[in-house]
Amino acid sequence: GESVGLHLPTLSVQEGDNSIINCAYSNSASDYFIWYKQESGKGPQFIIDIRSNMDKRQGQRVTVLLNKTVKHLSLQIAATQPGDSAVYFCAENPSGTSYDKVIFGPGTSLSVIP
Amino acid sequence: GAVVSQHPSWVICKSGTSVKIECRSLDFQATTMFWYRQFPKQSLMLMATSNEGSKATYEQGVEKDKFLINHASLTLSTLTVTSAHPEDSSFYICSAPQVRSNQPQHFGDGTRLSIL
Repeated sequence: GESVGLHLPTLSVQEGDNSIINCAYSNSASDYFIWYKQESGKGPQFIIDIRSNMDKRQGQRVTVLLNKTVKHLSLQIAATQPGDSAVYFCAENPSGTSYDKVIFGPGTSLSVIP
Repeated sequence: GAVVSQHPSWVICKSGTSVKIECRSLDFQATTMFWYRQFPKQSLMLMATSNEGSKATYEQGVEKDKFLINHASLTLSTLTVTSAHPEDSSFYICSAPQVRSNQPQHFGDGTRLSIL
């Protein structure tokens, strides 16, 4: 069936460098995507979202890029800090509504090297 | 801000026991809540959609008689793992969107279930 997947299962980054986490999705009809951060033993924490009528959205130290042509999503974290170490999931909301179910990708573990 | 609370945060019990997990929306109403299961080093897999005042909707492959869901009020959904076995050991997470809100849904901090 349709799914959301990631290219890299693990990523190690030097503190202060920028991090880029990638995600491929297969449902071309999807128009709402979310990035979550999950720390050990906790639930997912919302980072940033984007709709398909945009190709870029910025938050505090984070930027999400959406390339609908190749069905690719990325999360950029600027000046990565030790507190950014976590597992990051891209997620797809098939219905496009924020109050509907969310389908998670496999996740990328980000390790920040001090 | 909106908070979703799960209880208990962890539970250890013997095989064959039934375990109830609560998911509460603390300062908002949720007509729908979602239950996910997460095995170690894996992603979250949607188990079911809990609907206030009506039957839950289960994802393919999830046994409804094994995982009983009750959504009796606008702020509480419960997941009961019946006759739990070691293979049911997992991290169970709920989420809840706010009614009439365009905000992303909020997740609880999960319940670690260990069946001996």
